[in-house]
Amino acid sequence: QKEVEQDPGPLSVPEGAIVSLNCTYSNSAFQYFMWYRQYSRKGPELLMYTYSSGNKEDGRFTAQVDKSSKYISLFIRDSQPSDSATYLCATHGGAGNMLTFGGGTRLMVKP
Amino acid sequence: SAVISQKPSRDICQRGTSLTIQCQVDSQVTMMFWYRQQPGQSLTLIATANQGSEATYESGFVIDKFPISRPNLTFSTLTVSNMSPEDSSIYLCSVLGTANTEAFFGQGTRLTVV
Repeated sequence: QKEVEQDPGPLSVPEGAIVSLNCTYSNSAFQYFMWYRQYSRKGPELLMYTYSSGNKEDGRFTAQVDKSSKYISLFIRDSQPSDSATYLCATHGGAGNMLTFGGGTRLMVKP
Repeated sequence: SAVISQKPSRDICQRGTSLTIQCQVDSQVTMMFWYRQQPGQSLTLIATANQGSEATYESGFVIDKFPISRPNLTFSTLTVSNMSPEDSSIYLCSVLGTANTEAFFGQGTRLTVV
């Protein structure tokens, strides 16, 4: 079993929809959680970063962490065609620790 | 956040040859990381490069195949040696933020071996 599981998709939604992207993890020592957006032929771009459980909001994006169920989510409101990309979750247990990545979910937002 | 520049952005190479990828960061960082991303896959850590010491390689990666240099706190190189088509991937340089918690990536080097 992989340490971080993520549905590969593709996930196809109409423009304006609310998107929910999810990851599950197995290591209870993980405390830092990140979401990256990766456009085709580009490097990953840090989108959201959270520590421990709770919610964090940034514009149309909300990151949610539930450590009790080892479940992390990224919500995108009012999705746009420009949000079409692969979204990677990542986590680690502390400062300087190696990141563990999910496999990525490919999102397509259709006009 | 850190600004990371990678060169070349892409290359097509003949099998058996070597390619050196450069990574330049706009600030001094202790650790730099090299990842490989095979087509349609997630990121796999190749090695961690510390200034002044040998790189630390992850399981499945060896120094003879992926030699790394780290001459100062803002620069590193990764060489992909004796390339085969299986080495066709995106190679990514990464550094940690100031709190050593979040990671930032360069734009990647798309390598195709023919």
